[in-house]
Amino acid sequence: QKEVEQDPGPLSVPEGAIVSLNCTYSNSAFQYFMWYRQYSRKGPELLMYTYSSGNKEDGRFTAQVDKSSKYISLFIRDSQPSDSATYLCAMTTLTAGNNRKLIWGLGTSLAVNP
Amino acid sequence: EPEVTQTPSHQVTQMGQEVILRCVPISNHLYFYWYRQILGQKVEFLVSFYNNEISEKSEIFDDQFSVERPDGSNFTLKIRSTKLEDSAMYFCASSEGSYTEAFFGQGTRLTVV
Repeated sequence: QKEVEQDPGPLSVPEGAIVSLNCTYSNSAFQYFMWYRQYSRKGPELLMYTYSSGNKEDGRFTAQVDKSSKYISLFIRDSQPSDSATYLCAMTTLTAGNNRKLIWGLGTSLAVNP
Repeated sequence: EPEVTQTPSHQVTQMGQEVILRCVPISNHLYFYWYRQILGQKVEFLVSFYNNEISEKSEIFDDQFSVERPDGSNFTLKIRSTKLEDSAMYFCASSEGSYTEAFFGQGTRLTVV
């Protein structure tokens, strides 16, 4: 089983829709969970950062972590065309020593249509 | 807004040649990283660098690779004797602390022919 799995899509939604993006993982030692957004020809940009289980909300974005199911989600409310990008999940263990040794998902390509 | 800048944006090199990818991290950041992303594959960690030495590296980062901070502003990744499979997008990132947000550059697309 791959360490982090993420459906690459593409996902196409109308403007205003609620978008749900997901990753599953196999390593129960992962404690830090992140969502990055990557626009074409740009580097990844951190969107949300969650430690352990629970929810975190930031504006139109909500990140959820369910450690019992090894499943994380990113919800985007009232999606906008400017949200069109690739969304990557990434995670790391508490004892990695340096959380930049992130394990990444493949990324999901999202298109929000006006 | 401060940003990480990488040069060149695209580098084409012949197999067996050496390349140096350059990065200018954000000025007050102390931790520096290189990642790569082969087309259609996941982003992969290569190396982290702090206090003028490598703090962690992945299995990918073998003797073919080296990093350097030659002056107070640049952070470089050198790939000796490039192989076709080194073709990828290489991202530099920097952060203030090891557990604070890392900011990524726009990447250098390396094509080995």
